[in-house]
Amino acid sequence: KAGVTQTPRYLIKTRGQQVTLSCSPISGHRSVSWYQQTPGQGLQFLFEYFSETQRNKGNFPGRFSGRQFSNSRSEMNVSTLELGDSALYLCASSLWMQETQYFGPGTRLLVL
Amino acid sequence: AQTVTQSQPEMSVQEAETVTLSCTYDTSENNYYLFWYKQPPSRQMILVIRQEAYKQQNATENRFSVNFQKAAKSFSLKISDSQLGDTAMYFCAFMKHEGVDYKLSFGAGTTVTVRA
Repeated sequence: KAGVTQTPRYLIKTRGQQVTLSCSPISGHRSVSWYQQTPGQGLQFLFEYFSETQRNKGNFPGRFSGRQFSNSRSEMNVSTLELGDSALYLCASSLWMQETQYFGPGTRLLVL
Repeated sequence: AQTVTQSQPEMSVQEAETVTLSCTYDTSENNYYLFWYKQPPSRQMILVIRQEAYKQQNATENRFSVNFQKAAKSFSLKISDSQLGDTAMYFCAFMKHEGVDYKLSFGAGTTVTVRA
C-alpha cells in the first residue's frame, strides 16, 4: 500500500503571498492531520479532518486553513505569508480518528 | 493540556550497543496512547512503536522496546543492538483515547547518533 504523499516537497515564497499544500492519505484512511515543525517551536498541531469536516484545530491564526475532499485528500492553505511561517509541514493520516497516525515526507516551505 | 518532556537533547551510542531514551508526560487522562516516532535526516517521520495505556505489557518491535510506567507517567524507549540506520531524532508523543482532542502532542525530541 502506498504511503502518505505530499506535494510539493519544497516551496519558496515571499512575504504576503499565499500557498496551498496537498496531502494524499494512505488508501482507506479517512482522517488527515497537519503539523508544523520548526527548530524553535518543535512539532505543533495545526488541524485534523475526518469525513470532510474539521474536527480539531490547533492554536494557529486564521491565516492557516484547510479542507478535506470526499476522497480524503486534504489541502492546507496559508495566506499572507510571514517569515515565521517557514517550516516543515507534515501531513499524517489514520484509518479512523484516535488511531495511529502515519506521516508523509513533508513539504518544506521557505518564506523570503 | 498534555505535556510531553524529553530531557535528553542528544545521545550517542556505539554500534551494536544499547541506548535508552527517556520520556515523561503529564495528563489527567486514564485512557491514552503513547508513541515513539523517529525522524532520520530525510525528515520522514516513521512510527517506531505504540503503547496503549490500558495494556500493562510493554510493547516490543524487534530491537525496540518500551518501559511503560503508568503511575510514574514515564515511557522510555530502549534500542538494542544499535545500527547506523538508527541515527535519527526520536520523538515521544501522546494521544488521548477519548473525547475530541485526539491530536498528537510531541516532546522536543532526542537526537541519537550511532557511531561505527
